[in-house]
Amino acid sequence: DQQVKQNSPSLSVQEGRISILNCDYTNSMFDYFLWYKKYPAEGPTFLISISSIKDKNEDGRFTVFLNKSAKHLSLHIVPSQPGDSAVYFCAVGDSGGGADGLTFGKGTHLIIQP
Amino acid sequence: NAGVTQTPKFRILKIGQSMTLQCTQDMNHNYMYWYRQDPGMGLKLIYYSVGAGITDKGEVPNGYNVSRSTTEDFPLRLELAAPSQTSVYFCASSTGGFGNTIYFGEGSWLTVV
Repeated sequence: DQQVKQNSPSLSVQEGRISILNCDYTNSMFDYFLWYKKYPAEGPTFLISISSIKDKNEDGRFTVFLNKSAKHLSLHIVPSQPGDSAVYFCAVGDSGGGADGLTFGKGTHLIIQP
Repeated sequence: NAGVTQTPKFRILKIGQSMTLQCTQDMNHNYMYWYRQDPGMGLKLIYYSVGAGITDKGEVPNGYNVSRSTTEDFPLRLELAAPSQTSVYFCASSTGGFGNTIYFGEGSWLTVV
């Protein structure tokens, strides 16, 4: 049973427009949330995070929104650029739980079209 | 700034063979992890370690073994390789604690035939 769901396996967006990637989680004990970006033949790289005490975190073109009541987070990229084409993984953690790292979604393949 | 380094990058194994994936990190992180990623799937935790001499099973440990004799190194051993172990393997490390950001190596592509 998936604890973290990214329901869109792929998303195509025109260059310059906004990309919105979504993630849902099931366990209300999760209290920090991250997005990772992965290019082919490379390891995932950390992009942006948010803790449960906030509902928004911005870093340049990237903004993560957290809706705790809906157990939903989203990543907004604006404006989208060709280099943003990659697979994006949502990851969640529970600071009160064990040391067993993060739980990842299956990823969304973002394709930025010129 | 090497970060997390994995070797080999690519390997083909025959069914029943054994091998070790090497992982080393130079960030003095206490926490280390091995994940695997199957096509179209997220990363699944195989084993993790919170410090030298301490290891524990993750979600999918069967068919694997690990050791952690130093802070820097966390090798993953595959015994009696099976086709189901064909996957991409990622080693990772972190400082642990709240807001844990995990840093990944570049991956090791393993095919069992």
